[in-house]
Amino acid sequence: SQQGEEDPQALSIQEGENATMNCSYKTSINNLQWYRQNSGRGLVHLILIRSNEREKHSGRLRVTLDTSKKSSSLLITASRAADTASYFCATGSTGNQFYFGTGTSLTVIP
Amino acid sequence: KAGVTQTPRYLIKTRGQQVTLSCSPISGHRSVSWYQQTPGQGLQFLFEYFSETQRNKGNFPGRFSGRQFSNSRSEMNVSTLELGDSALYLCASSLPSGNTGELFFGEGSRLTVL
Repeated sequence: SQQGEEDPQALSIQEGENATMNCSYKTSINNLQWYRQNSGRGLVHLILIRSNEREKHSGRLRVTLDTSKKSSSLLITASRAADTASYFCATGSTGNQFYFGTGTSLTVIP
Repeated sequence: KAGVTQTPRYLIKTRGQQVTLSCSPISGHRSVSWYQQTPGQGLQFLFEYFSETQRNKGNFPGRFSGRQFSNSRSEMNVSTLELGDSALYLCASSLPSGNTGELFFGEGSRLTVL
C-alpha cells in the first residue's frame, strides 16, 4: 500500500502547548499536504509543501519535509481547543490521486 | 463561492440494494475525486473524473462506479451493497493537476448498510 502513516495515532495536550505530529510515506512524491477533519465532517486543507521545499509556515502551522527519510512533520504552536480534530497527511504523485495517512487524533484540553 | 455539495448527507440501505451519491464541485473546478473513509481502512481513493472521463481509479471492485457530467457534477454508484460498504463517502474537487493539487472536500455522505 502507498498509504502513509501518522504518528502518534492520538495526542492529548493542554491549551497553549505545541502539538507535533509526524507522517511517513513510501513512494516518491510531487508534494505533501496536511488536512484537518473535525469529527464526521469533510477534510479541510491546511498546507501544501512541495518536494523541493524543506520547511513551510502558515500562521501557527509549521511543516517540514525530509524526502530522504520520506517523512514530514506538522507543528501546531500555541494550540487552542478549536484545534481538536484529526490530522491527515496526503501524498500525491500524478494527477489528483492522493494517498492519505491513517491520521492523528489531536485533543486540546482547555 | 459555494463549496463542494454532497447529497444526501445520510442514508440507510439494506444489503443487496444500490445507492447513488451526488457531488457538485466548486464552480470552475473540473476535477472531482471520491474517497471512502472507514475506521478500519482510513481514507481510500475510489476514482477521479476530469472532463467527464475517469482519469484515475483506486483498488475497488466493479460494484463501485461513477460518472461526471458536462457541468462537472459527479455521481458515484454502489451496486449490490455489502455491510462493509458502510462508510463516509467524501467527494473532493480541485483544479486540474498541474496547479496546487489542493483538494476541497464536501461534508460527505454517510452510508449505513444494514
